[in-house]
Amino acid sequence: EVQLLESGGGLVQPGGSLRLSCAASGFTFSNYAMTWVRQAPGKELEWVSTISGSGGSTYYADSVKGRFTISRDNSKNTLYLQMSSLRAEETAVYYCAKETRGGYANHYFDYWGQGTLVTVSS
Amino acid sequence: SFELTQPPSVSVSPGQTASISCSGDKLGDKYACWYQQKPGQSPVMVIYQDSKRPSGIPERFSGSNSGNTATLTISGTQAMDEADYYCQAWDSSTLWVFGGGTKLTVL
Repeated sequence: EVQLLESGGGLVQPGGSLRLSCAASGFTFSNYAMTWVRQAPGKELEWVSTISGSGGSTYYADSVKGRFTISRDNSKNTLYLQMSSLRAEETAVYYCAKETRGGYANHYFDYWGQGTLVTVSS
Repeated sequence: SFELTQPPSVSVSPGQTASISCSGDKLGDKYACWYQQKPGQSPVMVIYQDSKRPSGIPERFSGSNSGNTATLTISGTQAMDEADYYCQAWDSSTLWVFGGGTKLTVL
């Protein structure tokens, strides 16, 4: 059974930093790209960042580029998101998701974690 | 940049068919998928690759994608289907894109 368990959320001041983790189990972690998606309270889903299975390729939404860093440790089956220079509008539940690729441009998220809440406030 | 547009809300009577649209430029040339999210829960994929259902998703969920519009159809809608639904696609320039979500109300 695939399980994704996020942790590391909490209250942080504007301009502060936070590192999220996502522990994965139930599949061969290194074979799959992994993604962070966030959802502000009452708002839609927003793609944040994706990392390839090897960790050699990373992708970021323009809104977080230069401030967030996605990484993974395949020996620990764990995904990370290092967030810095956080803004109030980035208050959201952050989900990690396993990505499956069915071919070119066929990317979808077949499993999601339960999410971790990040609150950016003074 | 590539964008996906969904109606904010759709209402349906129990037992009837609900259709939720997702529009984007030449979306039919890409692959669409759909996620269901109930209040306080994580999203669950209900359709991938335009029309395929993951294991465990009821047969009443179906999908199509042509031209500029992908459609999620729920036949014989049940009260348990009341949720927010999001479409998603991948674009070579914008990368991973979600629609704004549609709140399905089963009246």
